[in-house]
Amino acid sequence: DSGVTQTPKHLITATGQRVTLRCSPRSGDLSVYWYQQSLDQGLQFLIQYYNGEERAKGNILERFSAQQFPDLHSELNLSSLELGDSALYFCASSALAGGPGGTGELFFGEGSRLTVL
Amino acid sequence: EDQVTQSPEALRLQEGESSSLNCSYTVSGLRGLFWYRQDPGKGPEFLFTLYSAGEEKEKERLKATLTKKESFLHITAPKPEDSATYLCASLNTGFQKLVFGTGTRLLVSP
Repeated sequence: DSGVTQTPKHLITATGQRVTLRCSPRSGDLSVYWYQQSLDQGLQFLIQYYNGEERAKGNILERFSAQQFPDLHSELNLSSLELGDSALYFCASSALAGGPGGTGELFFGEGSRLTVL
Repeated sequence: EDQVTQSPEALRLQEGESSSLNCSYTVSGLRGLFWYRQDPGKGPEFLFTLYSAGEEKEKERLKATLTKKESFLHITAPKPEDSATYLCASLNTGFQKLVFGTGTRLLVSP
C-alpha cells in the first residue's frame, strides 16, 4: 500500500460528459502529480501541484484541469469527454517541490480507470 | 525533448533464465534514471534510482546499471513472481518531471 488513495477506481461515462477524479496524497507529501496511461502511449505526465500551487505542466489538454486543496488532496477534472480520453489516470505524490526527492521515489495510487462510451 | 525508449516490448523467460531489459534515454541534463515495476491493474512501484554513469543498484534478483546513454535492468534467475511490466523513467535538471518509457512486459513461466 503506497498510502496514496484515488477515487473512483472505475468510471464509465458518455462522450461530452464531465468527470472528477480525486486523489489523497501520502501523509506529509506536499507534491501531487497526475499521469495518464493508455495502451499505446504509456505513462504521460499531465500536471504537478505543490502545496496548492501549480508547479509543472505536461501534456494536459485544455479540456482538463486540476487543483490542489488546502488539505492537500487534489482533483483532476475532465470535461467534454471523447472516446480517446479512455485511460488509466494515476495520481502520485512526493515530499518535495522539485520533483521526486531523496531516493527519487514517487508513490503512486492504484489509478482511476475511465471508460468513455 | 526528453525521450525514453525501452526494449524489448515483451519478454518471456523460463524460471531461472537470466536476461536484461534495456532503457535508452535522451535527456538534456540527467538528474536521475528511475526503474519502476507495475503489476496489472496497479500503480507503478519504485525500484531504483541511478544518478551517474557507472552506478549500480541491486535488490534481490534485480540489478540496475547506468551508462551515459542507457540503463539496463538485469534479472538473475527470475521467478514467476517477477512477472510484471518494468518501467524506466528519466528526470532532467530543468523541468523536474519524470518521463516514462512504454515499459517491458516480462512473463516468467515456471
